[in-house]
Amino acid sequence: AQKITQTQPGMFVQEKEAVTLDCTYDTSDQSYGLFWYKQPSSGEMIFLIYQGSYDEQNATEGRYSLNFQKARKSANLVISASQLGDSAMYFCAMREGIFSGSARQLTFGSGTQLTVLP
Amino acid sequence: NAGVTQTPKFQVLKTGQSMTLQCAQDMNHEYMSWYRQDPGMGLRLIHYSVGAGITDQGEVPNGYNVSRSTTEDFPLRLLSAAPSQTSVYFCATRGGSYEQYFGPGTRLTVT
Repeated sequence: AQKITQTQPGMFVQEKEAVTLDCTYDTSDQSYGLFWYKQPSSGEMIFLIYQGSYDEQNATEGRYSLNFQKARKSANLVISASQLGDSAMYFCAMREGIFSGSARQLTFGSGTQLTVLP
Repeated sequence: NAGVTQTPKFQVLKTGQSMTLQCAQDMNHEYMSWYRQDPGMGLRLIHYSVGAGITDQGEVPNGYNVSRSTTEDFPLRLLSAAPSQTSVYFCATRGGSYEQYFGPGTRLTVT
């Protein structure tokens, strides 16, 4: 079974508008972390934002926020005021056992290609 | 402070050849891992290490070997390259916090 599902292979957004990238996850662990990474066309993986399963507040980092709905097992990324430089592939990822010192590594979704239109 | 470095950046191999992808980190992180990224897919875990002398398999370990003799280095060996191993390979590290740091990637083509 897929642990991380990103159902939007491609998204378009107008510059300066907000966009939501969807991510749902599957785990039976109580302790896990959710991550979003950006991969521009140059190929590097850029960490954007993190949400722990016990965090009660949604994470925010500048123009990025994570809409965490634990009961629905969703962790959507919201980018406000999109910029042309936001055009990239975006990956949602999860690490289970994150607070227990587990050695488990990241599991990634298949990604969403975001294009920001001028 | 270079972070995570990977060499080479690009490599072309013929089927059956072997090679080693190098990964080095200067952050004194315990955890190191190798992922591969195929077109249209997310990263998939090949092997990982929780410290010098300790390695374990990830989701797609077949055809790859690793060893970890020092904290700094975590090389990935392709034993007998196959076209199915054409991919982009990322090395990653993490210390005690949640954040994972990725290297710039190695783009491998097997013909």
